[in-house]
Amino acid sequence: GNSVTQMEGPVTLSEEAFLTINCTYTATGYPSLFWYVQYPGEGLQLLLKATKADDKGSNKGFEATYRKETTSFHLEKGSVQVSDSAVYFCALSGSGGSYIPTFGRGTSLIVHP
Amino acid sequence: SQTIHQWPATLVQPVGSPLSLECTVEGTSNPNLYWYRQAAGRGLQLLFYSVGIGQISSEVPQNLSASRPQDRQFILSSKKLLLSDSGFYLCAWSPGLAGGASEQYFGPGTRLTVT
Repeated sequence: GNSVTQMEGPVTLSEEAFLTINCTYTATGYPSLFWYVQYPGEGLQLLLKATKADDKGSNKGFEATYRKETTSFHLEKGSVQVSDSAVYFCALSGSGGSYIPTFGRGTSLIVHP
Repeated sequence: SQTIHQWPATLVQPVGSPLSLECTVEGTSNPNLYWYRQAAGRGLQLLFYSVGIGQISSEVPQNLSASRPQDRQFILSSKKLLLSDSGFYLCAWSPGLAGGASEQYFGPGTRLTVT
């Protein structure tokens, strides 16, 4: 079956540091890949997405590239802010025609001033 | 634009009491609808999904049930709550015409505490 593996957190950084959150996946076919962000007490919000190999999704300074050869979709940001503190979820969908998305377990990011 | 609503926002219920959580979507037709549960500090657990009125698929056997009485309404129910039903319940939708490959849009969630 499909699976998504994220690095365990929490990831703790100082403001303006570089961020990488690793995500690898196992899936049949050619799924779409997503990063979602969840702020405390809220639902998930789509952060960025990529629908085919070598696509780069980007939003609010975050980027991730769909790497089919390494089955990865790592999230990066050049300079994090305190307001980026949240839980980040990597996910895939559309594998094998399924309506059921697969989410990673989430990575908590804490940014200190 | 599309919006998704969930209510109530918070709920405290005694063990053995019934439950009804409601989710509605505006601004789209024939969406795929999903119910998730998120335990404290844990990831997302898919409970139910629906691709059309009256069509419900269950992912986890439990004392919860779901119904879709209207195209853009999704209800999560229980006849008798257990302590283990406590958690953060999230409703989500995705465009029906996109099949399963689209992103999901989540509601604000309902915090359920069973005492």
